[in-house]
Amino acid sequence: AQSVSQHNHHVILSEAASLELGCNYSYGGTVNLFWYVQYPGQHLQLLLKYFSGDPLVKGIKGFEAEFIKSKFSFNLRKPSVQWSDTAEYFCAVAGYSSASKIIFGSGTRLSIRP
Amino acid sequence: NAGVMQNPRHLVRRRGQEARLRCSPVKGHSHVYWYRQLPEEGLKFMVYLQKENIIDESGMPKERFSAEFPKEGPSILRIQQVVRGDSAAYFCASSPPRGTRVETDTEAFFGQGTRLTVV
Repeated sequence: AQSVSQHNHHVILSEAASLELGCNYSYGGTVNLFWYVQYPGQHLQLLLKYFSGDPLVKGIKGFEAEFIKSKFSFNLRKPSVQWSDTAEYFCAVAGYSSASKIIFGSGTRLSIRP
Repeated sequence: NAGVMQNPRHLVRRRGQEARLRCSPVKGHSHVYWYRQLPEEGLKFMVYLQKENIIDESGMPKERFSAEFPKEGPSILRIQQVVRGDSAAYFCASSPPRGTRVETDTEAFFGQGTRLTVV
């Protein structure tokens, strides 16, 4: 079955701390991987995406993610978080086929203490 | 991604009424997704549509829910005879026509969502 698991439901960090949010997926075949962010009261925005090539992907606002195919993982990282990073983060996976839907994980709520 | 327009932003319906949620995709996008978001449950896939065609409706409840994306006009998610459990935020996303440019074709752009409250 196709699925995405985000193991951390709520993460609380202090400003300047390092961040790593876990994401594992189950999907047969070649995949596209995404991280989306939802700031309070706003719509989802794309942070970064992986389609092929370098497994270390850099996104906006200093975020990066590493695709580890052998572990079916696509963890999100940021070396030093800011209060403005407070948001909900969603990992997602889609296949290459035009019939492939995008499947989202349950999300991780990130709270940053100023 | 501000190009995906959903309306209304907030919708209140009494039990038994019908709810119609509209989604206008980014200009030129031919694919639309509908997701439901409940607190602590993330985004649940409902349906994936291409103009005049349902590609995948595996996430749609078997009864009361339907979706369409006509050749002209917005995509509509219709919920008949709403119940309290239908209260949620419903998000629409759109993506371009699938082609050879995989790097951009699959990316979905989201609307602001419609928050449905059933009283």
